[in-house]
Amino acid sequence: GENVEQHPSTLSVQEGDSAVIKCTYSDSASNYFPWYKQELGKGPQLIIDIRSNVGEKKDQRIAVTLNKTAKHFSLHITETQPEDSAVYFCAASCREGGSEKLVFGKGTKLTVNP
Amino acid sequence: DTEVTQTPKHLVMGMTNKKSLKCEQHMGHRAMYWYKQKAKKPPELMFVYSYEKLSINESVPSRFSPECPNSSLLNLHLHALQPEDSALYLCASSPGQGHYEQYFGPGTRLTVT
Repeated sequence: GENVEQHPSTLSVQEGDSAVIKCTYSDSASNYFPWYKQELGKGPQLIIDIRSNVGEKKDQRIAVTLNKTAKHFSLHITETQPEDSAVYFCAASCREGGSEKLVFGKGTKLTVNP
Repeated sequence: DTEVTQTPKHLVMGMTNKKSLKCEQHMGHRAMYWYKQKAKKPPELMFVYSYEKLSINESVPSRFSPECPNSSLLNLHLHALQPEDSALYLCASSPGQGHYEQYFGPGTRLTVT
């Protein structure tokens, strides 16, 4: 089955710097890769996603890149702000029982220091 | 609107109690999910309903019993839980039909005493 590895597990940056989180996946059939932000006491929030027919997607300060050949994808946050502090999860889709399910990475705790 | 609602927000129950968690979405999504999340861990899939039919059960113990009464509602019935079942229980929904993005609710914080 699908396996998703995520690095680093913790990341601390200064406000205004960029942050990069990387994930690798194992199943070449996976074709959808979302990123979630989870703040303390809340449910995960979908912040950006990418499909396998696209190499890069950007939404304001957030971008995701995908390298299908190498089976890795990355989240890039520019001009970080304290409110970006949260746990970020990457995921990859896989098919099971006629339905799509997400396999999550272990998460990255991002701290943006003012 | 991408809102998934869950009730209750918090639940404390004894090991002999029976309780239910509820999830609702009004986005017309045709797939709904239950996840369990322990502290500092990613969400762990429990069940998937597609078009109101159970399509995935990730070998979850029978003390957890899902139910999908209609396309907008998802319940999780709890009975004879163990303290290790204490966790955040998350519901999510997705459009289906080739659209895989999942939207999560805020979760129910469950404590089993």
